[in-house]
Amino acid sequence: NAGVMQNPRHLVRRRGQEARLRCSPVKGHSHVYWYRQLPEEGLKFMVYLQKENIIDESGMPKERFSAEFPKEGPSILRIQQVVRGDSAAYFCASSPDRTGGYTFGSGTRLTVV
Amino acid sequence: GQNIDQPTEMTATEGAIVQINCTYQTSGFNGLFWYQQHAGEAPTFLSYNVLDGLEEKGRFSSFLSRSKGYSYLLLKELQMKDSASYLCAVRAGPTDKLIFGTGTRLQVFP
Repeated sequence: NAGVMQNPRHLVRRRGQEARLRCSPVKGHSHVYWYRQLPEEGLKFMVYLQKENIIDESGMPKERFSAEFPKEGPSILRIQQVVRGDSAAYFCASSPDRTGGYTFGSGTRLTVV
Repeated sequence: GQNIDQPTEMTATEGAIVQINCTYQTSGFNGLFWYQQHAGEAPTFLSYNVLDGLEEKGRFSSFLSRSKGYSYLLLKELQMKDSASYLCAVRAGPTDKLIFGTGTRLQVFP
């Protein structure tokens, strides 16, 4: 029973490039959440998605960031024209429903050089 | 607004007991979670409280007082492997998402 799978584990991008982070939730989980964690800081909520719908994007920066969770395939967090300040660990979590506990993936560590 | 406060760092000795406090002020409340996170790893679930009182699970216990907006995580018989960050999170807001505190980094010394 695989947990939440995130890839890649580490991603290096030059300033101005695009970063695509993938998250496959636990089998049967239809709720996906993305969080960002800066060094020595807590998890900051970014976006909450269900299949084909964005439920809550109140934590997403207004520009350059987008997320999707298509009917088939993983959830994708896309960051366009990355800047050094985007360097962080990005964690994905999934739950079976709105009230269930979260299972977290191992994260993608993005470094912008 | 949403505000969750925890101490930034704590230290304790192997075999001792440590209590990590968390206070919260959120719009709505649908449960409080504690997660453990080792450096460079994913957060892992420790406990969940939705009603007032104490939940015990082995060496770990968690307490909740909704009227005071307060919770604590109690770790007994500390082991070196308990050195980690402990994250308090509240399910709140119109979409019931988890809102995390900044975490408490616990160092256990021999």
